[in-house]
Amino acid sequence: NAGVTQTPKFQVLKTGQSMTLQCAQDMNHNSMYWYRQDPGMGLRLIYYSASEGTTDKGEVPNGYNVSRLNKREFSLRLESAAPSQTSVYFCASILDSYNEQFFGPGTRLTVL
Amino acid sequence: RKEVEQDPGPFNVPEGATVAFNCTYSNSASQSFFWYRQDCRKEPKLLMSVYSSGNEDGRFTAQLNRASQYISLLIRDSKLSDSATYLCVVNIDLLGSGNTGKLIFGQGTTLQVKP
Repeated sequence: NAGVTQTPKFQVLKTGQSMTLQCAQDMNHNSMYWYRQDPGMGLRLIYYSASEGTTDKGEVPNGYNVSRLNKREFSLRLESAAPSQTSVYFCASILDSYNEQFFGPGTRLTVL
Repeated sequence: RKEVEQDPGPFNVPEGATVAFNCTYSNSASQSFFWYRQDCRKEPKLLMSVYSSGNEDGRFTAQLNRASQYISLLIRDSKLSDSATYLCVVNIDLLGSGNTGKLIFGQGTTLQVKP
C-alpha cells in the first residue's frame, strides 16, 4: 500500500495563478481532509469530506475549493493564489472517528 | 479560545529525563483523543491513542481526564530520538455515527532532548 500520496511535493506560484493539489489514498478510507500548516499556527483544517460525495468547510476554507472525485481522491484547488496561501499543505484520510489519521508527505507551496 | 490548547515549549531536557506535556480541549462532544508526533518538515504520525483508563506504550504514558477536559503525555527516560513536536489531537464526531470525525489539532509542543 502506498498510503496517502500527494502531488506535487513543491510548487511556486505567482499571485493570481491557479493550481490543484492532488491527493489519493489506497486504504479504502471513508473520510479525507486537507490541512495547512504555518509556523506557530499548528495544523488548520481547510476542508474535509466525511464520505464520497460530501464536502464540508473546516476552519480556514476561504480561497480554496475541493472535490471528492471518488472514494480514493480528494483534490484542493486554489483559484487565485495569494501570498497568504504560502504554506505546507497536508492531505489525510481516516477509516472512522476512532482510528488513526494517515497523512500524505505534504506539498510545500510558495506564492510570490 | 482555541479548541485544543498546548504549551508550545520548547522543552529542552537532558537525555534520561522525564517530561510531561499537557493539553486541554474545549468541546465536550469530543469523542476520541490522540497524540501525534511530527518531525521537522515531515508529516504527523500517530504516536498513541488516548483512552479514558489511561494507556502506556513503552516509555510513553497517556492520560485522559474527561471531567477536566485534559489530556497528558508522559515520556520517561528521554532519548535523543524523541526530539520532535508532539501534537495533541481531538476528534469531534459530528453526527455520532463514528464516520464523520473532525480532527482538531493543538499547535504542538516542541521537545529537544540534549546529550
